[in-house]
This record gives sequence, C-alpha cells and structure tokens, in this order.
Amino acid sequence: DVQLTQSPSAMSASVGDRVSITCRASQDISIYLAWFQQRPGKAPQRLIYTASTLQGGVPSRFSGSGSGTEFTLTISSLQPEDFGTYYCQQQSTYPLTFGGGTKVEIK
Amino acid sequence: DVQLVESGGGLVQPGGSLRLSCADSDFTFSTYWMSWVRQPPGKGLEWVASIKGDGGENYYVDSVKGRFTISRDNAKKSVYLQMSSVRDEDTGVYFCVRGRSSSIWGQGTLVIVSS
Repeated sequence: DVQLTQSPSAMSASVGDRVSITCRASQDISIYLAWFQQRPGKAPQRLIYTASTLQGGVPSRFSGSGSGTEFTLTISSLQPEDFGTYYCQQQSTYPLTFGGGTKVEIK
Repeated sequence: DVQLVESGGGLVQPGGSLRLSCADSDFTFSTYWMSWVRQPPGKGLEWVASIKGDGGENYYVDSVKGRFTISRDNAKKSVYLQMSSVRDEDTGVYFCVRGRSSSIWGQGTLVIVSS
C-alpha cells in the first residue's frame, strides 16, 4: 500500500502569509495526487487534482506542485476562510490512501 | 448542481448490519467510479471501498474485506454499502464520493457502533 506522510500536522499563520504543506508518498505515484480542504463539520472539498490542476471555482491563491513521491500544496496569501484541515490523497493505485491531515489555524 | 445524498446511517450494535445508500442527481452516473470514505470522530479520512461505473470491479480497504460490500444500481443512480459484522472501529461519518479523482462528496451519514 502507498503511505502518504503530510507535514506539518498543524500550523498557525497570519492572514497574508504564504503557506506550504508537503505530502510525501512511499512510492512513485506519478501525478495522481489530490488535495482537499475540510472545514469543521463539513464534507471535504477538492482543491487540486493530478497534482497541479486547480478545481473549478477554487481561488487561484491555491496551487499544487510535484510528481513522483513529493508534492506541495501552497496558499500564496492566506485568507481567513482558509482555516480547516487539508488532506492529500493518492489516486494512483488501490487501496486509495490519504495523508494524516494538516490543521491550519489563522492567527 | 451535482449532488450526492447519503442515507441509512444510525446506531447499530456490534456484530450487526447496516446498509448505507447514496443517491446521485447526475444522469451520467453510470460512467463514474463511486467510493465510500469514512471519518472516525475527531480523526482523519479513510478510504473504504470503490466500484467501477459498470459494477465490474470493486476494491476494499483490508479492514472491511469480507464484512462490507459495495454495489450500485445505475438505473436508480445509486450506490450502496452493505455493512455486516460491524465493529466499534467502524464508527464514523461515511461519505459517498464521486469519481476516481474524488471530485464530488456527499454531506455524510453518521454510523455509530455501540451496545
């Protein structure tokens, strides 16, 4: 099974900060990685798929990069509504797996 | 808007059974892989099972193999998760998810396994 390791597990940042979250895969998954945002009590929403493709309707301050085993989600200028937990998911091979999550708090 | 609506969650005793349902509003439902993803209280996301558009392939996380069965009815634009021999650790919110790339999520249905 492909293991995904996210870092950091939690962070606190100010509005306007540039924020980066890393997801490392235990084996090569090419570009088959997606990123999700989950606000408390809500269903996850996809932000990025195939590592760098922005989901329609998602603000352009979100971007994704990487391939193979290392991936990054970047928020170029953190906004108050960006609080929540972010998850990566590999979609290369079954069983599909998620990273452990990164909780983002706004200072 | 494309919508997924789950139902069937509730309280079930250990060793019991429950059937979750998910109704899709999109007429191209039969072309998509569908999945179930769960989230234990206060914890992260765990993929549970997926089924191909024509129902010809399915996959499960090891912890539910032999206990859970995913199925679909394309005429009803619905996907199901039959849960049997449930355990305490099956407690959580179960989300119905559309597509191999998890593009659309339902609002979730809560399953509580407790005596």
